[in-house]
Amino acid sequence: GENVEQHPSTLSVQEGDSAVIKCTYSDSASNYFPWYKQELGKRPQLIIDIRSNVGEKKDQRIAVTLNKTAKHFSLHITETQPEDSAVYFCAASRGYSTLTFGKGTMLLVSP
Amino acid sequence: EAGVTQSPTHLIKTRGQQATLRCSPISGHTSVYWYQQALGLGLQFLLWYDEGEERNRGNFPPRFSGRQFPNYSSELNVNALELEDSALYLCACQLRGTGTEAFFGQGTRLTVV
Repeated sequence: GENVEQHPSTLSVQEGDSAVIKCTYSDSASNYFPWYKQELGKRPQLIIDIRSNVGEKKDQRIAVTLNKTAKHFSLHITETQPEDSAVYFCAASRGYSTLTFGKGTMLLVSP
Repeated sequence: EAGVTQSPTHLIKTRGQQATLRCSPISGHTSVYWYQQALGLGLQFLLWYDEGEERNRGNFPPRFSGRQFPNYSSELNVNALELEDSALYLCACQLRGTGTEAFFGQGTRLTVV
């Protein structure tokens, strides 16, 4: 089955800095790559996703890039704010299959 | 539109007992996933149900089981509870098919004492 590795496990940045979280996946047939944000005590919620026919997608301060050759995708957050502090999960799936998550990255944004 | 609901919110059980957790998906979402989230750890995949059938299960012992009902709601059963089963159990639903957003419930916090 699919295996998703996520790094780093924790990331501390100053407000205004950029943050990058990286994931690799094992199944070359995976074609859907969502990112979820889980604030403390809340449920995970989708913040952005990308499909395998696209190399990059942006939504305001967040962007995701995908390198299918390297089986690698990344989340980029620019101009970080304290409210960006949360745990972020990447995931991958292919066709009709289980949505497999990485182990998560705790992002701490200090004012 | 109602979101994904889970019940109960909190559950305290004694070691060796059985626990039953419930999930009601968004209307029309046929796929239901169950994940275990232990403190400080990620989302460990437990079970995936779609159209009433178990489609996949994660690396958990057989005492973790479940089912999906004709209305697509789902139940997770944990038998012979162990202390390490204490965790947040999240269900998520998804439209049948590929590449769609999974919506999570608020979770059931299971504590085994």
